[in-house]
Amino acid sequence: GNSVTQMEGPVTLSEEAFLTINCTYTATGYPSLFWYVQYPGEGLQLLLKATKADDKGSNKGFEATYRKETTSFHLEKGSVQVSDSAVYFCALKREYGNKLVFGAGTILRVKS
Amino acid sequence: GAVVSQHPSWVICKSGTSVKIECRSLDFQATTMFWYRQFPKQSLMLMATSNEGSKATYEQGVEKDKFLINHASLTLSTLTVTSAHPEDSSFYICSAPGVRVDTEAFFGQGTRLTVV
Repeated sequence: GNSVTQMEGPVTLSEEAFLTINCTYTATGYPSLFWYVQYPGEGLQLLLKATKADDKGSNKGFEATYRKETTSFHLEKGSVQVSDSAVYFCALKREYGNKLVFGAGTILRVKS
Repeated sequence: GAVVSQHPSWVICKSGTSVKIECRSLDFQATTMFWYRQFPKQSLMLMATSNEGSKATYEQGVEKDKFLINHASLTLSTLTVTSAHPEDSSFYICSAPGVRVDTEAFFGQGTRLTVV
């Protein structure tokens, strides 16, 4: 079946540190891949997406590359800020149908 | 991007009462809405899919009579938690899906339900 596996958190970093949150997926066909961010007490916001192999999604300094050979979509940011503290969800959307399959979420805490 | 508005953002109710949560698509028509439940520090659990003009589709293990879903129009879907109990306390989120495989879903702000 389709599934998404994220690294467990919480991830605690100092401001300006490099961030990587690992995400791997299992899916048939050619899914689209997404990273969503959830700030405390809020719904989810799209952070970035990639719709085909080797695509790189980027937004607000965050990047992720759709790697079909390793079935991965790792999230990276070169220099995190305190305001990046949130929960990050990796998700896939199957080639057919419109449901999202979410990973467990990774809590990121950035200290000043 | 498209906007999904969810109301209320938080609600406290007494055990045994019912609570209605509304989810509106403000600038587009949504024939489908997803309803999720999120426990503290956990991922989103899909509860059901509401379809405009037809019955909702519930995921396995979700009580249909407890969580009533109605999709009365192309811009409004509602979730009613009936006879609420403390174990129903949770964060509920609605979402309108992107219609193509490469389009993202749009989420409401979420509703924090506390049953006392």
